[in-house]
Amino acid sequence: AQTVTQSQPEMSVQEAETVTLSCTYDTSENNYYLFWYKQPPSRQMILVIRQEAYKQQNATENRFSVNFQKAAKSFSLKISDSQLGDTAMYFCAFMKHGQGNKLVFGAGTILRVKS
Amino acid sequence: ETGVTQTPRHLVMGMTNKKSLKCEQHLGHNAMYWYKQSAKKPLELMFVYNFKEQTENNSVPSRFSPECPNSSHLFLHLHTLQPEDSALYLCASSQDRSSGNTIYFGEGSWLTVV
Repeated sequence: AQTVTQSQPEMSVQEAETVTLSCTYDTSENNYYLFWYKQPPSRQMILVIRQEAYKQQNATENRFSVNFQKAAKSFSLKISDSQLGDTAMYFCAFMKHGQGNKLVFGAGTILRVKS
Repeated sequence: ETGVTQTPRHLVMGMTNKKSLKCEQHLGHNAMYWYKQSAKKPLELMFVYNFKEQTENNSVPSRFSPECPNSSHLFLHLHTLQPEDSALYLCASSQDRSSGNTIYFGEGSWLTVV
């Protein structure tokens, strides 16, 4: 079974600074997908970014980018120019290809952006 | 604004009550999901429906009964729950169950069992 580990329960960052959230996963699969979701106080899970394992290029979405290291099974999220609205719980998630779109989530990292 | 709407947002029920959670998606998707989010535990997949057919039951106790009358609506019927069932229940949808389709979530229904 796949597992996802987020080793940082809580992180803080000053507004406008850069922060990196860690995620590692364990799988024997070669074809899969990785996601970062954000859960603000409203509790809605919002997709931040996704990465296909077969793509070597790291995904980026505006201020959000990932560092995908397939061999190391690492998938970190970098948030640049942090904003107060980035304060949320961030979840890393894994989806195996051919397993019917099932997400396996990590425990989450609480990110607090301070003014 | 979310394409997946859940009602009620908050629900308090006794252990002998029968209640239901409702989910509606406005995204034209064909797959819908129920997830459970408990304190200090990762999100757990409960049920999956694809084109109105249940394709996954992740060993969920029978006191949780899902219903999917059409591709846009998903219910979770609750009966004789336990206090440990108190959690945030998240509904989600995706285009279908093909791998790699992005899953979109609602804002969740907070359930407290007393």
